[in-house]
Amino acid sequence: DAKTTQPTSMDCAEGRAANLPCNHSTISGNEYVYWYRQIHSQGPQYIIHGLKNNETNEMASLIITEDRKSSTLILPHATLRDTAVYYCIGPNSGNTPLVFGKGTRLSVIA
Amino acid sequence: DVKVTQSSRYLVKRTGEKVFLECVQDMDHENMFWYRQDPGLGLRLIYFSYDVKMKEKGDIPEGYSVSREKKERFSLILESASTNQTSMYLCASLSHLGHTQYFGPGTRLTVL
Repeated sequence: DAKTTQPTSMDCAEGRAANLPCNHSTISGNEYVYWYRQIHSQGPQYIIHGLKNNETNEMASLIITEDRKSSTLILPHATLRDTAVYYCIGPNSGNTPLVFGKGTRLSVIA
Repeated sequence: DVKVTQSSRYLVKRTGEKVFLECVQDMDHENMFWYRQDPGLGLRLIYFSYDVKMKEKGDIPEGYSVSREKKERFSLILESASTNQTSMYLCASLSHLGHTQYFGPGTRLTVL
């Protein structure tokens, strides 16, 4: 079973930042949190992952709380093409199968 | 550009047929995975493989088998297809050293 908790759905206005929260209270020392997204009728796509430090790449930023029990994925300027289901996955020590939950359905609205 | 390909986007088969779903990756990844995705149930792991000729059961292996004869290819086999195996099937690969799992586009299988 998935070990993360996410809201079922969220809306975001186009051009605004989308902040997607995730709780992973059972995380331990060497376990990562991963974010993927799935656009309708496509395979999931990797976004970002983190261990304890905040991370940023060309797609998004990942903010991890100091106690590592929760994190937030930030899409800084959401576009209509960011409409997708976003999965927060973990804790995972890497190199093992990912366990997908139900994810958050993000709708970006014009 | 990394790539995971699946043999078909859409497939229609009859109950009782033997079905082969093929997945090929061009990234020399050691790990490969098969998931199925159903509405309301999310992605569920069927089988995975850490290396050639290695296989491990996932959460829902019943009714499926797999084959990994070459590193780049991971096949999912439905020995006798049933209607409850109608689903979207997704293949993925992952390097031993990496954190990024790459997914194929999926095969939507309908069993009549």
